[in-house]
Amino acid sequence: QKEVEQNSGPLSVPEGAIASLNCTYSDRGSQSFFWYRQYSGKSPELIMFIYSNGDKEDGRFTAQLNKASQYVSLLIRDSQPSDSATYLCAVGASGGGADGLTFGKGTHLIIQP
Amino acid sequence: ETGVTQTPRHLVMGMTNKKSLKCEQHLGHNAMYWYKQSAKKPLELMFVYNFKEQTENNSVPSRFSPECPNSSHLFLHLHTLQPEDSALYLCASSQDRRANSPLHFGNGTRLTVT
Repeated sequence: QKEVEQNSGPLSVPEGAIASLNCTYSDRGSQSFFWYRQYSGKSPELIMFIYSNGDKEDGRFTAQLNKASQYVSLLIRDSQPSDSATYLCAVGASGGGADGLTFGKGTHLIIQP
Repeated sequence: ETGVTQTPRHLVMGMTNKKSLKCEQHLGHNAMYWYKQSAKKPLELMFVYNFKEQTENNSVPSRFSPECPNSSHLFLHLHTLQPEDSALYLCASSQDRRANSPLHFGNGTRLTVT
């Protein structure tokens, strides 16, 4: 049974600070890793994906992947109140053929003005 | 229209009703999915279609019946549902079934079974 674990939070961060969201996964052969943002009452929105070990930056967002330790993280710099949402970590299956993605329960992030 | 469109946005149905959820994607993708999102639980994959062929059925009860007439349209037919089936039902699409294909979600249908 593939598992993706996230701290459900809430994680409270002051405006302008760095928010750090973490995720661990059980399937060592996983190949692809995604971060989705979900506002209350809305559908998940893709914000970052990463396939290789290391860091990947896109604007204020940085995804970090460490396959040896089986964790992936998302850093949000200069946090804004509009970043307040639930962040879902999703992991793509190993072995080539996909059966969709396995999602964590999500971390509820609150940016305090 | 762009993206993934789901209708209806909200649905209230009794346990003896029959209804259908509709999803349409305008992204030229070849794979489509149904996910269920319940409170305090992770997104649960229900069905996967790739090039109109069903490739995954995650032990979903038969009261949920998917239909994929072409690569752009996906339906979820509902009948004799239970109150515990109340949830947000999300349709998604991806370029293909490869593990590195990001999912693009529709706005979802909020289903309430009374």
